[in-house]
Amino acid sequence: QSALTQPAAVSGSPGQSITISCTGTRSDVGGYNYVSWYQQHPGKAPQLVMFDVSSRPSGISDRFSGSKSGNTASLTISGLRAEDEAHYYCSSYKLAGHFVFGTGSKVTVL
Amino acid sequence: QMQLQESGPGVVKPSQTLSLTCTVSGGSITYGDQYWGWVRQPAGKGLEWIGRVYSRGSNDSNPSLASRVSTSIDRSKNEFYLRLTSVTAADTAVYFCVRNRKGGSGFWSHFDYWGPGILVTVSS
Repeated sequence: QSALTQPAAVSGSPGQSITISCTGTRSDVGGYNYVSWYQQHPGKAPQLVMFDVSSRPSGISDRFSGSKSGNTASLTISGLRAEDEAHYYCSSYKLAGHFVFGTGSKVTVL
Repeated sequence: QMQLQESGPGVVKPSQTLSLTCTVSGGSITYGDQYWGWVRQPAGKGLEWIGRVYSRGSNDSNPSLASRVSTSIDRSKNEFYLRLTSVTAADTAVYFCVRNRKGGSGFWSHFDYWGPGILVTVSS
């Protein structure tokens, strides 16, 4: 099954806001409000930072927010900090009990 | 605090079967309504969902791997398992075990706990 499409790289200066997009189809992102986002630092396991499009897990900063329009979901990081530099992956439920991940985006803090 | 830990061989020969165990601590594998799953990541590449097993035993798997993947659970040991048959070099990756959790709508929508991952290399 095809991965969701994300930009390979997104960058911003400290304090700025950046948005990472995640584009799928009506069979995944567009069909369900079950998009989640994961932050992965080098050599570490991914960590959940957003689920069900716009719900933040306990302990995740409110600088992270999520949204969805049609077949595209977005993760916005406001007040960018050095520790936000990492890879970010979206994921969506896909029909028949399956899941699909995005291609991943490298966030660089300039 | 729940913890997940993968274990298994670090090297598997081509055409053989990859078998991994995920041990869950800090909580019961049968508590509530849970799915338990597997995700892999080849070096320098993205994440790929492999499959999941329900705490009561039913399972789902990635259609691209379905003919080679099986997942199972042992409630008495608080463990769940992955078997991937007929492996090739393309199956070389870090394998993560995960908990597939329900969101606010009551649907198993995301992965909230991850193991640290185990590198499995397919090589003769």
